[in-house]
Amino acid sequence: DAKTTQPPSMDCAEGRAANLPCNHSTISGNEYVYWYRQIHSQGPQYIIHGLKNNETNEMASLIITEDRKSSTLILPHATLRDTAVYYCIVRVGLAAGNKLTFGGGTRVLVKP
Amino acid sequence: NAGVTQTPKFRVLKTGQSMTLLCAQDMNHEYMYWYRQDPGMGLRLIHYSVGEGTTAKGEVPDGYNVSRLKKQNFLLGLESAAPSQTSVYFCASTTRQGASNYGYTFGSGTRLTVV
Repeated sequence: DAKTTQPPSMDCAEGRAANLPCNHSTISGNEYVYWYRQIHSQGPQYIIHGLKNNETNEMASLIITEDRKSSTLILPHATLRDTAVYYCIVRVGLAAGNKLTFGGGTRVLVKP
Repeated sequence: NAGVTQTPKFRVLKTGQSMTLLCAQDMNHEYMYWYRQDPGMGLRLIHYSVGEGTTAKGEVPDGYNVSRLKKQNFLLGLESAAPSQTSVYFCASTTRQGASNYGYTFGSGTRLTVV
């Protein structure tokens, strides 16, 4: 699976959009980009994923560059409950046991 | 629909003791995983299973054994606990058909302390 690079931490103002970058310059054509978050002491929570096209769901939007070497997770209106560690993961689907490999993630602090 | 349930939620062991962590899922998922998370770090894969009766090693398998006798259950065993195994353990599951359409579902974790 391709390696990802994320900033270790970032702050965001409540009510503003939070833009979380992720670099995955060695991503392969069949690897998906997944985003998870982990709120303190809880199990990770799936947010969104994509292959090539931009994706949006009720939680967030995922913007993937045309060359697929980087992506941005957007939380449109950050709330205090969005304070968490956010993990960007790239992975092939069914191959190799469908495993997820977690890096260090970005620690996001939403401030009032 | 409970999702992924882990038992126990907390446990303190003495060095050398053994125990089994239980993970149960009610979503009929084929794939199940055990991760550990040490303070300030990301999750690391211990063992995983792609179906009933099959298991495989992950990134940090030493000191652990697993079994998947029933599709809905994935057991993680510590035969002789060591202080280095003090950690938070997370179980997760996902479906084969949903590999590219669904994420993992994680349990709430088991906090294990080995003294």
